[in-house]
Amino acid sequence: GEDVEQSLFLSVREGDSSVINCTYTDSSSTYLYWYKQEPGAGLQLLTYIFSNMDMKQDQRLTVLLNKKDKHLSLRIADTQTGDSAIYFCAESKEGGYQKVTFGIGTKLQVIP
Amino acid sequence: EPEVTQTPSHQVTQMGQEVILRCVPISNHLYFYWYRQILGQKVEFLVSFYNNEISEKSEIFDDQFSVERPDGSNFTLKIRSTKLEDSAMYFCASSDFGVGGGYEQYFGPGTRLTVT
Repeated sequence: GEDVEQSLFLSVREGDSSVINCTYTDSSSTYLYWYKQEPGAGLQLLTYIFSNMDMKQDQRLTVLLNKKDKHLSLRIADTQTGDSAIYFCAESKEGGYQKVTFGIGTKLQVIP
Repeated sequence: EPEVTQTPSHQVTQMGQEVILRCVPISNHLYFYWYRQILGQKVEFLVSFYNNEISEKSEIFDDQFSVERPDGSNFTLKIRSTKLEDSAMYFCASSDFGVGGGYEQYFGPGTRLTVT
């Protein structure tokens, strides 16, 4: 079955880069996502990458996918205190109303 | 920007009682979902709903659970006889057809259900 694993906690200094890592088990995963959850808020989709890509960049966010190792990472450049949140790695299959399978979430703490 | 809304934000109920969690998906979306997150655990898929019927459900979604779209705007999750282990944050989500078939799911802020 599907499983997504990620570390629980990451602490970085403001202005540094943050790298949050994730591994997944299902090789048929087609879409890989990063969601952000701020306190009291819902799950906000930050970005997603198709499994046939190995990199996607969107402003300060860079997603790297190593499909062979089933490893996904999210790099946040110039991390700000407003980036403090829980970041969820997730995956789904192609097409239709497919469920999203989440990791446990990595809590990013940005130290001023 | 359109968003998914959920009410109430926090529901406290006694074991054995029925609860209804309410969601208003984004208005032009066609697919609707419920997920839950027990404290300290992963967000888990419960059910997806399309064209007025369940598309997929997880093994968690047993006979005590039901979903309904009673009108053109609301999407509800009913838990018939709540148990202590139903205490969790329940997230509603909705999606439309995405680019290349990737159905981006938009999530609501969640309803925290506490069963005592």
